[in-house]
Amino acid sequence: GAVVSQHPSWVICKSGTSVKIECRSLDFQATTMFWYRQFPKQSLMLMATSNEGSKATYEQGVEKDKFLINHASLTLSTLTVTSAHPEDSSFYICSASGGAGNEQFFGPGTRLTVL
Amino acid sequence: GNSVTQMEGPVTLSEEAFLTINCTYTATGYPSLFWYVQYPGEGLQLLLKATKADDKGSNKGFEATYRKETTSFHLEKGSVQVSDSAVYFCALSDTASKLTFGTGTRLQVTL
Repeated sequence: GAVVSQHPSWVICKSGTSVKIECRSLDFQATTMFWYRQFPKQSLMLMATSNEGSKATYEQGVEKDKFLINHASLTLSTLTVTSAHPEDSSFYICSASGGAGNEQFFGPGTRLTVL
Repeated sequence: GNSVTQMEGPVTLSEEAFLTINCTYTATGYPSLFWYVQYPGEGLQLLLKATKADDKGSNKGFEATYRKETTSFHLEKGSVQVSDSAVYFCALSDTASKLTFGTGTRLQVTL
């Protein structure tokens, strides 16, 4: 299957700082990328859907000014957690798809810890 | 809204034992159903899927049947191996793109 990478795999930051997480499709063009958040022992919750060159569509309850998503190319999407606080600590997972109806390929996830 | 409920883990089995991981769903319309597997340190991988009632998805010895009457999609394998140790996620999609996941079930297979 196609490969999706995330960087970094884990990050620790101080409260009030911003953190950027990258998601890359390594061997295919991802017209659509998805960002999920996973709390311990809970399911993956979709945060937003982004299409290359367009603004991201956020799920209800997700603050778009808090979680900035950029999908500037067919192989890269970034999630920036702005002014991070301890409650933002979580496991963030991205997936990439070649288009509507296509299989989603998942990255390995990024663990964010905000002190 | 849509939701997926799957049995809590961890599930611990001896090698060659029979595996069942229960999954039920709530959805409007006729969703597609999926099982994903996440091996340690890796991203989720699609294990199998079924797109309509009575379809059976199968892969690597795992199978699951889309049961509309019981809104279920239970995962089964006749003889598990140590290499099957992973976290298994049941999911549904009622559109081409959005997935709704269950909480995941950790499977640990011992010799």
